[in-house]
Amino acid sequence: ETGVTQTPRHLVMGMTNKKSLKCEQHLGHNAMYWYKQSAKKPLELMFVYNFKEQTENNSVPSRFSPECPNSSHLFLHLHTLQPEDSALYLCASSQEAPTAGAYSTDTQYFGPGTRLTVL
Amino acid sequence: KQEVTQIPAALSVPEGENLVLNCSFTDSAIYNLQWFRQDPGKGLTSLLLIQSSQREQTSGRLNASLDKSSGRSTLYIAASQPGDSATYLCAVLGSNDYKLSFGAGTTVTVRA
Repeated sequence: ETGVTQTPRHLVMGMTNKKSLKCEQHLGHNAMYWYKQSAKKPLELMFVYNFKEQTENNSVPSRFSPECPNSSHLFLHLHTLQPEDSALYLCASSQEAPTAGAYSTDTQYFGPGTRLTVL
Repeated sequence: KQEVTQIPAALSVPEGENLVLNCSFTDSAIYNLQWFRQDPGKGLTSLLLIQSSQREQTSGRLNASLDKSSGRSTLYIAASQPGDSATYLCAVLGSNDYKLSFGAGTTVTVRA
């Protein structure tokens, strides 16, 4: 496997379910990102991890819980979601992410996304 | 807060016609601007990246221009082909917060 991979590619869940999205990058990067893409809307940054530490939480509801056990893996744990959370969830990685006092302009590489439908 | 707008939202052209996609942004304090391609249900593929000091970038049939002072970029695709059908996204990297702000995209259909 090369690049950024995401599983599952499609997920349908009820509002009371708990599920997890997985992202894996094989690029040797140190930063990983979660984005949400809703229909006809711009991508919204959700979370950023840099060297396994969360550096950005863009006011995301607590029903979305990220986890970054190492620089190659990123998870998004989902529970008690709402129908409006249905979207394409994209993972990305870059060499480094900007942090306080350490700006980064590294290119982000995106995975294919997980299409989530909440019933 | 940076706002990125892409017009038109959708475009349909016959094969062989040149494509012109527009992107505008409200805050000119950018480090670079990037054009991405997204196929249905897929992730993003970077097409061209223009640094703030550059006026344009070219790759094959693609040419992107940047006018930072007026907050505009244009992506030109010459001699369009059905394989060019996709959604094209514009994103700017802010030079103050180094955050990537995306437009909603232009969905292109090239008719054979």
